This record gives sequence, C-alpha cells and structure tokens, in this order.
Amino acid sequence: GAVVSQHPSWVICKSGTSVKIECRSLDFQATTMFWYRQFPKQSLMLMATSNEGSKATYEQGVEKDKFLINYASLTLSTLTVTSAHPEDSSFYICSVRGGGLRTEAFFGQGTRLTVV
Amino acid sequence: AQSVTQLDSQVPVFEEAPVELRCNYSSSVSVYLFWYVQYPNQGLQLLLKYLSGSTLVKGINGFEAEFNKSQTSFHLRKPSVHISDTAEYFCAVIPMDSSYKLIFGSGTRLLVRP
Repeated sequence: GAVVSQHPSWVICKSGTSVKIECRSLDFQATTMFWYRQFPKQSLMLMATSNEGSKATYEQGVEKDKFLINYASLTLSTLTVTSAHPEDSSFYICSVRGGGLRTEAFFGQGTRLTVV
Repeated sequence: AQSVTQLDSQVPVFEEAPVELRCNYSSSVSVYLFWYVQYPNQGLQLLLKYLSGSTLVKGINGFEAEFNKSQTSFHLRKPSVHISDTAEYFCAVIPMDSSYKLIFGSGTRLLVRP
C-alpha cells in the first residue's frame, strides 16, 4: 500500500497561535486528499476534500477560515488550524486516494493537537 | 444518504476465541465496503475490502468478512484472536454516487483478554 507521512505526530500550542500539519504521499501521486478529525473514542469526521487542481471542499459545519487547507501538489497537502483554541484539541488524520474513485484510501499516522 | 452502523461499541473476548464484529449499512446506491483497524494514536490501516466478485473477502492478519447484500451487512470475523488484535475497528463504505466519499461507522473496540 501507499505510504502517507503526516507531520508532526503531536503538537502542543498556546491558545491563539496557528498550527500547520503536513500530509505527504510518498510513493504515488494522489488525486484526492481528505482531512479528518477524530474525538476521543469516536469515529472519524470528514472535514474537507481536496481534488487535484481545485480548492478544498469543506463539509457542512467546518469553518474554512479556521481550518485552512492547501493542496500544494499531488503529493502534499497542509492543514492550518488558525487562532487555535482548546476546543480545537483533537486527533487530525489525513488520507489520500489515487488511481480512480473506487480505490482504497490510505491514511497518515495522525497528529495529536493539544491547545493549552 | 448513506450510513454505516456498528452496533457494538466494545467487544471483549478471550485470547484464541473467535470473534465477529458487526457492520450494517444503508444506501440508496451500490457501495464498496471496507474494514479498517486503528491502533492507539495511529492512523488507519486497511484490513480488507469488497469491491465486487466473491462475497467472502479475506484480509490481513487472518481476518475475513462476508458481504450480504440482502441483509446489507459486512461482518468481520476472525477464528482465533490474539492479544495484539486489541484495537479499534471501523467499517466504512464508499457509495457509487457522485461523491465517492468514504463514510465511517462509529467503530468497535475489540478488547482481547488473556
């Protein structure tokens, strides 16, 4: 399967600061990238989808000005949590898909964000 | 709209015993089906998938699942579990509509006891 590298694996930041999380597809060119948020002991909640050559499409209820997504290339996407607050503390996971719509998604190892 | 239901939030089982994790889905269109495993503080790893063909699908780590279209189910099974199988398991579908989004169930925590 594909290797998806997510960095950092954990980060602690002060309230009001911004945090950038990187997601890299190391061994293939992704056509679609996804960002998920996962609360403790809960399922993954899709935040946004980025398709090749287009801007991110945010899910209902996700603030696009709060969670900035940049799909820089077919192998790199970043999620920036702006002006972070303690309620933004969560586990963020990126996912990539390539080679067609029916193919499986590959996941990064996740980033644990703690805002103090 | 599509949804995925995993009725069991936690399944405790003794080591070397068989286990079944249940998954049911609801969709107005055909779907692709997946099972993922998540270990603590890690991303998700694909266990197995059903796209078409034989309804019995074998995956990694000795897991298998059977697609039952009439019951809209895709239950995950393993004949003999190990301590190392303790993890969170997610059932997911991709609907064959314009979205092709991966939709997850709420997850089932498998707790294997010695």
